[in-house]
Amino acid sequence: SAVISQKPSRDICQRGTSLTIQCQVDSQVTMMFWYRQQPGQSLTLIATANQGSEATYESGFVIDKFPISRPNLTFSTLTVSNMSPEDSSIYLCSVGRGQDGYTFGSGTRLTVV
Amino acid sequence: AQTVTQSQPEMSVQEAETVTLSCTYDTSENNYYLFWYKQPPSRQMILVIRQEAYKQQNATENRFSVNFQKAAKSFSLKISDSQLGDTAMYFCAFPANSGGSNYKLTFGKGTLLTVNP
Repeated sequence: SAVISQKPSRDICQRGTSLTIQCQVDSQVTMMFWYRQQPGQSLTLIATANQGSEATYESGFVIDKFPISRPNLTFSTLTVSNMSPEDSSIYLCSVGRGQDGYTFGSGTRLTVV
Repeated sequence: AQTVTQSQPEMSVQEAETVTLSCTYDTSENNYYLFWYKQPPSRQMILVIRQEAYKQQNATENRFSVNFQKAAKSFSLKISDSQLGDTAMYFCAFPANSGGSNYKLTFGKGTLLTVNP
């Protein structure tokens, strides 16, 4: 299965600023998924990123707040823009599909102060 | 829409004993996969076990096994000989075939399992 390197592992940011999270996969993958995990909660899908096309966002998430880049088949970034304390969460990237299973990055713990 | 329900927010078990975590789901699909993931305090999501719906045999991985009841849409996880390292949040997950090109994982709310010495 694929191996994902996710950076940064954690950060403390000022409100109103932006943070970009990176995920590098050791193999080419068609789809990458970005999740948010709020404190004590389950994972919620933010968007699906396909190479060469705009990301597909889930209900409640918008591109202006969470812009995603997918420049090639092994790399993606998620930016959390104009942050507020409500954005304090763990953010995870993932790759895979049903029959192959899913692999996750190690997560980015974001605290907004 | 596919849903995944875990009705046990927290469970505890003594070391070396057996514990079962429950999960039910809703889908109109016939062929699909189901997963149990473990998330220890390190927050890394670790695949515990996978079940293919068209296989009648329950999946087993060492001390972990499932009781898959397709008609009842039930997918419980049994952990035998519990170890302290099994302490973690456990998520049941189901990939939804959305439009045939996007297999998005839907997660249950999770069960926090504590193994006591």
